[in-house]
Amino acid sequence: EADIYQTPRYLVIGTGKKITLECSQTMGHDKMYWYQQDPGMELHLIHYSYGVNSTEKGDLSSESTVSRIRTEHFPLTLESARPSHTSQYLCASSDPDRAMNTEAFFGQGTRLTVV
Amino acid sequence: EDKVVQSPLSLVVHEGDTVTLNCSYEVTNFRSLLWYKQEKKAPTFLFMLTSSGIEKKSGRLSSILDKKELFSILNITATQTGDSAIYLCAVDNNYGQNFVFGPGTRLSVLP
Repeated sequence: EADIYQTPRYLVIGTGKKITLECSQTMGHDKMYWYQQDPGMELHLIHYSYGVNSTEKGDLSSESTVSRIRTEHFPLTLESARPSHTSQYLCASSDPDRAMNTEAFFGQGTRLTVV
Repeated sequence: EDKVVQSPLSLVVHEGDTVTLNCSYEVTNFRSLLWYKQEKKAPTFLFMLTSSGIEKKSGRLSSILDKKELFSILNITATQTGDSAIYLCAVDNNYGQNFVFGPGTRLSVLP
């Protein structure tokens, strides 16, 4: 079982609030990702990190920001939430340096609703 | 632009049926193809395929890759209601190992 955790699992907040979605993994993986997934739609990569102090934007433009101060922790922040941010956010990690090929391990996701 | 296409997007079958899910891809630098099952929240890993023609099998599920024709299939035999889920296909495009996901196939297995 993958050791990657997201909190909170569900969040309903008002427009304009600042929020941080937490993601932690205990596998020592260098690579971490944030995906956004609307109901019935595909996963879209919004941020990723190669390791500590590395953050990159993904394929889908997002108003969120991320930080990677510690290997195990990759929080995502929305400075001012809007209803258009309502979605499911999935965090994942992988370890491309230790194996020729490896899969991504996913957290349980955070379902965010902005009212 | 790297792309993964899955078909069908939605499928409804009855218990005991056999289903075949399709995944085709266009990537500039292929490394591996992965299948995931997503029920409620987190996708769970099923298979990783790197070589053509070698079938991966786990119980009633099996998958195979064709790197010449750029596609993979996922077979599920003797389907059960517990197989109801979204099945995601993803490709590792080898650029820092970023995964490109397809839209998924929503499988519903009726009793």
